[in-house]
Amino acid sequence: DAGVTQSPTHLIKTRGQQVTLRCSPKSGHDTVSWYQQALGQGPQFIFQYYEEEERQRGNFPDRFSGHQFPNYSSELNVNALLLGDSALYLCASSLPGQMNTEAFFGQGTRLTVV
Amino acid sequence: AQRVTQPEKLLSVFKGAPVELKCNYSYSGSPELFWYVQYSRQRLQLLLRHISRESIKGFTADLNKGETSFHLKKPFAQEEDSAMYYCALSGGERALTFGSGTRLQVQP
Repeated sequence: DAGVTQSPTHLIKTRGQQVTLRCSPKSGHDTVSWYQQALGQGPQFIFQYYEEEERQRGNFPDRFSGHQFPNYSSELNVNALLLGDSALYLCASSLPGQMNTEAFFGQGTRLTVV
Repeated sequence: AQRVTQPEKLLSVFKGAPVELKCNYSYSGSPELFWYVQYSRQRLQLLLRHISRESIKGFTADLNKGETSFHLKKPFAQEEDSAMYYCALSGGERALTFGSGTRLQVQP
């Protein structure tokens, strides 16, 4: 099991463009969460997907949207990119069940907006 | 609103010295607290959580509800402990609120 995998690893986009980031969860995991980590900060929760629906959302604008597919993989879409969206985007997955709260993280996608 | 505060950006100690990484939180209910660690060029990974009451790699953390703290401690630091440490809180929905992190440097 490769664990949580994210693609691409690095990305450079121009302000105003749109971007899609991808995440494959660890085998057997059904819940996927996305985090934004700005330089020098801790990860900040964007949203969480479970059973192909957004279950919980952090304090991020509607420009940030996502999707979860039947195989539990997920995408994060950001529209109308701003310079401030430059960050490391982390995907995390977890096992089903109320007691399985450990999050397994991917290596992240480094997004640079110029 | 829930918040996690790690007051130290950098903690530098010598090998064999005790380590305490501070974490304070604010949350109105009964949170679950975690410590995550990121070693150089590796992904973020769970170190320990308060419900397990385990000692992992010699680290322990006790949840103090009165002081709303969850400090991470190790009696004798090792060079391989050098890493970025994040305290995190979950309100029960698996979404994590992280602190800003503390970099631990263990010098030989």
